[in-house]
Amino acid sequence: AAGVIQSPRHLIKEKRETATLKCYPIPRHDTVYWYQQGPGQDPQFLISFYEKMQSDKGSIPDRFSAQQFSDYHSELNMSSLELGDSALYFCASTIARSYEQYFGPGTRLTVT
Amino acid sequence: GEDVEQSLFLSVREGDSSVINCTYTDSSSTYLYWYKQEPGAGLQLLTYIFSNMDMKQDQRLTVLLNKKDKHLSLRIADTQTGDSAIYFCAESPMDSSYKLIFGSGTRLLVRP
Repeated sequence: AAGVIQSPRHLIKEKRETATLKCYPIPRHDTVYWYQQGPGQDPQFLISFYEKMQSDKGSIPDRFSAQQFSDYHSELNMSSLELGDSALYFCASTIARSYEQYFGPGTRLTVT
Repeated sequence: GEDVEQSLFLSVREGDSSVINCTYTDSSSTYLYWYKQEPGAGLQLLTYIFSNMDMKQDQRLTVLLNKKDKHLSLRIADTQTGDSAIYFCAESPMDSSYKLIFGSGTRLLVRP
């Protein structure tokens, strides 16, 4: 069965650079969630989209922005990167109002 | 997560049962979940329980929910070495976009 695809899987950036993370949801899923998992931490909700509109916002820094496109894929744009942004970034997808979120393999971002 | 608490570590012998506990705070949560994360990997949805249930069994997994005490547990029968991983419980508050609020995770180590 098709799963959530995230790219790239690994990304190394320097401080103050920008990064773009991509998420391709499971086919027919219209809702996307982004989570950030710092080293040894639990995943923290960042932002979600339903039908290309932002549906909820969590502890996402102002330096980050995200959007969902007409094909339902989503991109997380991160600017002015800081060392503390080093983390695993997960995308999860679901069909709207479904209780089952399926996670991608994550993008490991390292900021040096 | 600040609203969902778990013990940090559990060690069991192969073949024994494992019980991982979780307490949550949001009584409005509609669904409660258990996710498994292996090293360097994504989050795998193991099982979930609707808040009006008190037990759910799925093969080797049994979820117990005590709504009065806001206590959730995951029992793994006949634990195998492949069960070694971090287990996260998560809640999904009803007044949200179904975002997940995770606990801090319990690291399960299965000894041969």
